[in-house]
Amino acid sequence: DGGITQSPKYLFRKEGQNVTLSCEQNLNHDAMYWYRQDPGQGLRLIYYSQIVNDFQKGDIAEGYSVSREKKESFPLTVTSAQKNPTAFYLCASSPRQDGNSPLHFGNGTRLTVT
Amino acid sequence: AQKVTQAQTEISVVEKEDVTLDCVYETRDTTYYLFWYKQPPSGELVFLIRRNSFDEQNEISGRYSWNFQKSTSSFNFTITASQVVDSAVYFCALSEASRGSYIPTFGRGTSLIVHP
Repeated sequence: DGGITQSPKYLFRKEGQNVTLSCEQNLNHDAMYWYRQDPGQGLRLIYYSQIVNDFQKGDIAEGYSVSREKKESFPLTVTSAQKNPTAFYLCASSPRQDGNSPLHFGNGTRLTVT
Repeated sequence: AQKVTQAQTEISVVEKEDVTLDCVYETRDTTYYLFWYKQPPSGELVFLIRRNSFDEQNEISGRYSWNFQKSTSSFNFTITASQVVDSAVYFCALSEASRGSYIPTFGRGTSLIVHP
């Protein structure tokens, strides 16, 4: 079955450590996205990528970094510069970035930093 | 200012009641797309419906119906005869050609609790 796989489901880290969240899709989608979800805040865009080796900052990119070396993979690194990293992170993809295509989401990774 | 406003933070109903989730959007584009997604407790958002700005026809899918009104910039979602399985967080989203490409902007979501 095609879909998006995010791993791990739960992640715990100490403050000051970088951590990388995995996102893999086998849908052959060109566009991929990372959103952050906090209670009462909805989904906020961190980074997005329309094609391999290209990505753009979203609304809250500070303290995060991404790479898109393969079409299937779009890992997100939460760096120590992110002031408030504890959140639920959602990865998504779409066939194209044309507005008309709905997003397909992974199950999310809940990151807790203490 | 929020581009997508879901004013209802949480709605609680009893099974079989009808419920309407409100969504108000803001855009200057003439071409845009509106979406509804459902997020069950498992966390994965599931796509429910898409509407483009040129199609104001309302849609019904089983117990679900959507009312798109450009005059009031609203895209409301009604669940008829609600069931416990409808309990979830529902998100409305807007996709417009800002930033030179269509990037979905989400509302803050409405948590629907259906009691048996």
